Amino acid sequence: EVQVLESGGDLVQPGGSLRLSCAASGFTFSSYAMSWVRQAPGKGLEWVSTIHGGGGRTSYADSVKGRFTISRENSKNTLYLQMNSLRVEDTAVYHCAKMAGSTVTSWFFNSWGQGTLVTVSS
Amino acid sequence: QSVLTQPPSVSGAPGQRVTISCTGSSSNIGADYNVYWYQHLPGTAPKLLIYDNSNRPSGVPDRFSGSKSGTSASLAITGLQAEDEGDYYCQSYDSSLSGYVFGTGTKVTVL
Repeated sequence: EVQVLESGGDLVQPGGSLRLSCAASGFTFSSYAMSWVRQAPGKGLEWVSTIHGGGGRTSYADSVKGRFTISRENSKNTLYLQMNSLRVEDTAVYHCAKMAGSTVTSWFFNSWGQGTLVTVSS
Repeated sequence: QSVLTQPPSVSGAPGQRVTISCTGSSSNIGADYNVYWYQHLPGTAPKLLIYDNSNRPSGVPDRFSGSKSGTSASLAITGLQAEDEGDYYCQSYDSSLSGYVFGTGTKVTVL
């Protein structure tokens, strides 16, 4: 059974940093792209970032580009999101998701975690 | 700001049929990128309902169906059940943004 479990969410001040982790199991982790998707309070889902299976290619939403860094450690079946220069508007539940699909433009999120809450506030 | 537009809410009595629209543009759905649908029930992880416009993953009831035409897509739920209450999102790829985009979300209420 595919499982992804996020951790690392916390209360942080504006301008601060935080690193999220996502532990995966039940599939060959290195064979699949992984993503982070967030949901701000009372808002909808927003794609944040994706990393290819080998870790060599990454992509980011404009709202986080230059501040967030996605990475993975395939030997540990773990996905990360390093978040720097955090803003109040980054407050959200951050979900880790396994990707599926045949090409980058047809990838989709076929397994999700319940998420970890990041609160940015002074 | 979401680039895919959905109605904020739809409702129906148990057993009825409801549909949720997802309107995009020439850089996403209209560019022939596939559409996907997710169900997000309170307190749970989002769940994939429809992939590649109209296909259901194993385990998803055939009460859920998807379609796509032009710059829009839709999700239909037939035989509405109380357990279907929750939020539903469409998703596609956008070439202008070079990334994945979600719809604004639709809350389904079973009367």
